[in-house]
Amino acid sequence: DVKVTQSSRYLVKRTGEKVFLECVQDMDHENMFWYRQDPGLGLRLIYFSYDVKMKEKGDIPEGYSVSREKKERFSLILESASTNQTSMYLCASSSSIWDREGSGTEAFFGQGTRLTVV
Amino acid sequence: KQEVTQIPAALSVPEGENLVLNCSFTDSAIYNLQWFRQDPGKGLTSLLLIQSSQREQTSGRLNASLDKSSGRSTLYIAASQPGDSATYLCAVTGYFGNEKLTFGTGTRLTIIP
Repeated sequence: DVKVTQSSRYLVKRTGEKVFLECVQDMDHENMFWYRQDPGLGLRLIYFSYDVKMKEKGDIPEGYSVSREKKERFSLILESASTNQTSMYLCASSSSIWDREGSGTEAFFGQGTRLTVV
Repeated sequence: KQEVTQIPAALSVPEGENLVLNCSFTDSAIYNLQWFRQDPGKGLTSLLLIQSSQREQTSGRLNASLDKSSGRSTLYIAASQPGDSATYLCAVTGYFGNEKLTFGTGTRLTIIP
């Protein structure tokens, strides 16, 4: 069974703290993503990575950074947490295998981390 | 920039009815389209993946179709059950080098027992 695991289901942090959200996948996927989900705004891409040590900004990277030192792990870092970063954070992974039939690249998500910044 | 729209935002139907959820996208240069289910406070569960060369995919009571030329996909749920109540999201993926998913805002489905 494919698995994407986020380190915490719920987190409460104080304003100004440095926060680490961890995500691990066991499918040997090349691509990994961090999204945040807010009511009325849907899922918005923060950062994604298509290989170890490679990263690209998504739609809302401000206030966040990422780290991918190993293929299976993708970390989201809030350098100085603020109340407007209170949200549900979702990690996903997908393969970049482009075969003749065009299969692959199905994305799988973790269970989400509900972060509250007070 | 790709934009994905899901209408309606919310839908309530009596148990046992068949129903259709809609998804439209503005850029037809997609590699695949994926339907997800999300229960309150949880992550996303993949339901169906349709490659750009395919027209439809089926899994149990679910059938998803894709019409790239018109920029539309539908998710058909047969014989709905209360356990189908959830938010349903569609997402499209671009070609190599653009594998990020672009999501619609979802349809919140309630099945009335």
